[in-house]
Amino acid sequence: GAGVSQSPRYKVAKRGQDVALRCDPISGHVSLFWYQQALGQGPEFLTYFQNEAQLDKSGLPSDRFFAERPEGSVSTLKIQRTQQEDSAVYLCASSITMNTGELFFGEGSRLTVL
Amino acid sequence: GDSVTQMEGPVTLSEEAFLTINCTYTATGYPSLFWYVQYPGEGLQLLLKATKADDKGSNKGFEATYRKETTSFHLEKGSVQVSDSAVYFCALSGDSWGKLQFGAGTQVVVTP
Repeated sequence: GAGVSQSPRYKVAKRGQDVALRCDPISGHVSLFWYQQALGQGPEFLTYFQNEAQLDKSGLPSDRFFAERPEGSVSTLKIQRTQQEDSAVYLCASSITMNTGELFFGEGSRLTVL
Repeated sequence: GDSVTQMEGPVTLSEEAFLTINCTYTATGYPSLFWYVQYPGEGLQLLLKATKADDKGSNKGFEATYRKETTSFHLEKGSVQVSDSAVYFCALSGDSWGKLQFGAGTQVVVTP
């Protein structure tokens, strides 16, 4: 497709389970971002990739969160031993280059941890 | 650190009314400023941007002017339509990656 695609769109996990969220950015986009959006709040930055290099992971809330983009295209956000406070919408965004702030967002993956 | 504050919603108004959503920011240096919009059931999308002081961004009848002296970037539209019902996010980018710092969002509801 032409846009950023995220899967699954909805995920329900039991506390303590591991989850993996996938992002397919727009083809050719160099920059890829992950954001976390709690209900009624704005997106909060998690991590940034330029091609396959993870250049900023300052927003990852704990070492249970891990992201990768091994071939510079598809990215996966993994959350280990999920907790209730991890419940949120996880947004992926891509940009054709860096430093423009003009991001193309996917529709998000809504994670609910019971 | 950088931050964005925008007016709380929901903002409810009638079709053809004038819309203003206030946004102020705190940042070191000279950030770029953005308005993103999220329509029901859709992903966030860029509405408009401004990269330096006194720049005016505009799109789809919406406008916002980068005011350095008041650290503001208020969004305005002269005559709203029902189709403008959405959540609007003010954001800034102050680093070299294009990382965005978002406000909490303002829901706008336009009634016929």
